[in-house]
Amino acid sequence: GAGVSQSPSNKVTEKGKDVELRCDPISGHTALYWYRQSLGQGLEFLIYFQGNSAPDKSGLPSDRFSAERTGGSVSTLTIQRTQQEDSAVYLCASSLVSRQGQGYTFGSGTRLTVV
Amino acid sequence: QKEVEQDPGPLSVPEGAIVSLNCTYSNSAFQYFMWYRQYSRKGPELLMYTYSSGNKEDGRFTAQVDKSSKYISLFIRDSQPSDSATYLCAMTADSSYKLIFGSGTRLLVRP
Repeated sequence: GAGVSQSPSNKVTEKGKDVELRCDPISGHTALYWYRQSLGQGLEFLIYFQGNSAPDKSGLPSDRFSAERTGGSVSTLTIQRTQQEDSAVYLCASSLVSRQGQGYTFGSGTRLTVV
Repeated sequence: QKEVEQDPGPLSVPEGAIVSLNCTYSNSAFQYFMWYRQYSRKGPELLMYTYSSGNKEDGRFTAQVDKSSKYISLFIRDSQPSDSATYLCAMTADSSYKLIFGSGTRLLVRP
């Protein structure tokens, strides 16, 4: 597609439930990133994919968070046993090259609210 | 202390004013500097991309980088109500894929 597509745009879930967030990057972009933006905060790096591999998962906050990417395209971020502190906007970005910050395009994000 | 510091604002200015936004950083390895604009409930969009020190101009926007002071700025001339948004600075080192963001400055341009 023309841009990075994320779904759902909004998600309200009960504490303790699992959620899946989806990212569909720009076609041909081999690099994909997940960031988290909490209220009034800047973007916090979560994970980086190059193709289907995730060489850097260092930003994932706990083992309740996992992500995968299939076919070098769509990525899913899964949060198990959600907690209230997981409430945030989860942003996905993709790029052709994965250094120097070049060519990042962000999606509009998934706004997650844990009640 | 955060790697990148940015005043959260909000900054309120009248239409037509010159706006100055800035960030300071601590990591001397950063060489690539970006400014993103983020409208409410949207993802960040890239406004300016600069390498190392110096100025870059694009229309009403000018980005400045002073590596010796670890200080970057974004100037907006003839500000418009449509410029009302949150402005995020971001930066990275040469071989890195990871962008380090400031917390963003909310700008309101009053008609």
